[in-house]
Amino acid sequence: KNEVEQSPQNLTAQEGEFITINCSYSVGISALHWLQQHPGGGIVSLFMLSSGKKKHGRLIATINIQEKHSSLHITASHPRDSAVYICAVRFEEGGSQGNLIFGKGTKLSVKP
Amino acid sequence: NAGVMQNPRHLVRRRGQEARLRCSPMKGHSHVYWYRQLPEEGLKFMVYLQKENIIDESGMPKERFSAEFPKEGPSILRIQQVVRGDSAAYFCASSPLPGRREKLFFGEGSRLTVL
Repeated sequence: KNEVEQSPQNLTAQEGEFITINCSYSVGISALHWLQQHPGGGIVSLFMLSSGKKKHGRLIATINIQEKHSSLHITASHPRDSAVYICAVRFEEGGSQGNLIFGKGTKLSVKP
Repeated sequence: NAGVMQNPRHLVRRRGQEARLRCSPMKGHSHVYWYRQLPEEGLKFMVYLQKENIIDESGMPKERFSAEFPKEGPSILRIQQVVRGDSAAYFCASSPLPGRREKLFFGEGSRLTVL
């Protein structure tokens, strides 16, 4: 069964802390997405990865294809980073592009 | 360059009525995807459309749900004879090109409440 597991489910941090959110998946993938969702709001695509590492501002995403694992890091966290972070993958055998399997999300709360 | 536009943002329907949700992709994007987020659950893929074609509808419920993306105008997700279990947030995303590794651009979502 194609599955996506995220950890932790909930995360509370103090402003300035370094944050790591993890995503593991069960079988080979062609792409992995990290998404951000604010309460009651829309979804923002942060990264799309198929290998290696990407960086944008204070956000860094890495993927290890052999270990079937990806991490999203936030450096110098800020209260405005508080949101749900969602990992989504397109499995190699999963059909068309956009046919993604989503993790349940990690709810991040950054306290000032 | 406007982003992905969804409307209405909020829609209330009584059981048995029809719901129509619209999605205008980003300018230049010809690929549209619909996802559903049930309360307290994760997102789930519903359907992938290109102009005038349904490419992948493997995530669509077999009954009452349909989607289209006409040559002109927005993509529409239509739910007939709504039931309380249809209450959810429906998100649309678009991408510019075909291919396996395109970043997706999401709308703000349409939140359907069925009374």
